[in-house]
Amino acid sequence: DTGVSQDPRHKITKRGQNVTFRCDPISEHNRLYWYRQTLGQGPEFLTYFQNEAQLEKSRLLSDRFSAERPKGSFSTLEIQRTEQGDSAMYLCASLEDSYNEQFFGPGTRLTVL
Amino acid sequence: QQPVQSPQAVILREGEDAVINCSSSKALYSVHWYRQKHGEAPVFLMILLKGGEQKGHEKISASFNEKKQQSSLYLTASQLSYSGTYFCGTERRAGKSTFGDGTTLTVKP
Repeated sequence: DTGVSQDPRHKITKRGQNVTFRCDPISEHNRLYWYRQTLGQGPEFLTYFQNEAQLEKSRLLSDRFSAERPKGSFSTLEIQRTEQGDSAMYLCASLEDSYNEQFFGPGTRLTVL
Repeated sequence: QQPVQSPQAVILREGEDAVINCSSSKALYSVHWYRQKHGEAPVFLMILLKGGEQKGHEKISASFNEKKQQSSLYLTASQLSYSGTYFCGTERRAGKSTFGDGTTLTVKP
């Protein structure tokens, strides 16, 4: 297994457009996290899944953000009606409960023009 | 509630030691440490779950105080490869991780 993968690695979009990102976790990992990171800041928690169940979603997120993990494997993060303030690196991480070690993917860098 | 990291930045010469602190106003379920190099994803270093715990190895280790509100990361005899930004991530309960703003470590020859 090659680790957590994310697609695309870069996305440039115009304000008001919808975007969707994909994360493929390490196969045996039951927990999956989405974070957002801007320059000079630590990763900001967005949401996490235990298998296919979305257990928590940040109150900082507006209704424009939604995430799914339909079969408990890959996950998608959708941002509707993007705004310039959404520009950031979106990181996905996965974890297997027994080991508590989060493995991060390379991230998707979103630029909203 | 975001943990507070200190210092914000530190500059060392190779071979010198550094300590990075991470504090929370309330008791934590766990604290975990990561290193992130510019343009790369964070890389897990270690996790501490028990009050009074210390773990790691000679060069990079961490402690978690008895009240589970403070953790420190110890970097001993630093190498150039230690340069990067160090983040602590904390959990008040299992699941949601909250990260500090990071400590930028620069190791010079």
